[in-house]
Amino acid sequence: EVVLTQSPATLSLSPGERATLSCRASQSVSSFLAWYQQKPGQAPRLLIYDASNRATGIPARFSGSGSGTDFTLTISSLEPEDFGVYYCQQRSNWPQTFGQGTKLEIK
Amino acid sequence: EVQLVESGGGLVQPGRSLRLSCAASGFSFDDYSMHWVRQAPGKGLEWVSGITWNSGSMGYADSVKGRFTISRDNAKNSLFLQMNSLRAEDTAFYYCAKGTSQYESSFQNCWGQGTLVTVSS
Repeated sequence: EVVLTQSPATLSLSPGERATLSCRASQSVSSFLAWYQQKPGQAPRLLIYDASNRATGIPARFSGSGSGTDFTLTISSLEPEDFGVYYCQQRSNWPQTFGQGTKLEIK
Repeated sequence: EVQLVESGGGLVQPGRSLRLSCAASGFSFDDYSMHWVRQAPGKGLEWVSGITWNSGSMGYADSVKGRFTISRDNAKNSLFLQMNSLRAEDTAFYYCAKGTSQYESSFQNCWGQGTLVTVSS
């Protein structure tokens, strides 16, 4: 099974700052990687799929990059509603797996 | 608007069975794969199972293989998860999710609000 390791575990930033979240795979997943956002008490929401494609309705401040084993989610200028937990997920190798999450919190 | 509404969760004793249901609306249900993803309270996400648009192929996480069975009824826009031989470690919120394509290997782009399954004596 592919292990996805996310870093940092917690990121403390202020609105307006740039956020950079990392996801590293234990083996190549090509570009078959997604990012999700989850807020307390809510279901996850798909942000990015296939490493760099924004899902429907996702603001342009969210961008994804990377391929193979190293991936990055960037939020160019944080809005108050962006705080929550972010998960990466791969679908290249069976079974699909998620990273352990990065908590993005208000500084 | 896409809506996914799970039901069937609750408190169940170890070793017993439970069947989850998911009612879908707002999209062409039989065009997409469907999935179950779970989350233990306060923990991360775990993909549990996926099924292709036509029930031609199903996949399971190793942790549930042989105990859980996914199925769907396209005529009723419904997804199901039959859970047998439940264990304490199966305690989680179970989310029904719509796939981004027909295939069980797809990502999930719409999620229900989840139903809580608690396995305890």
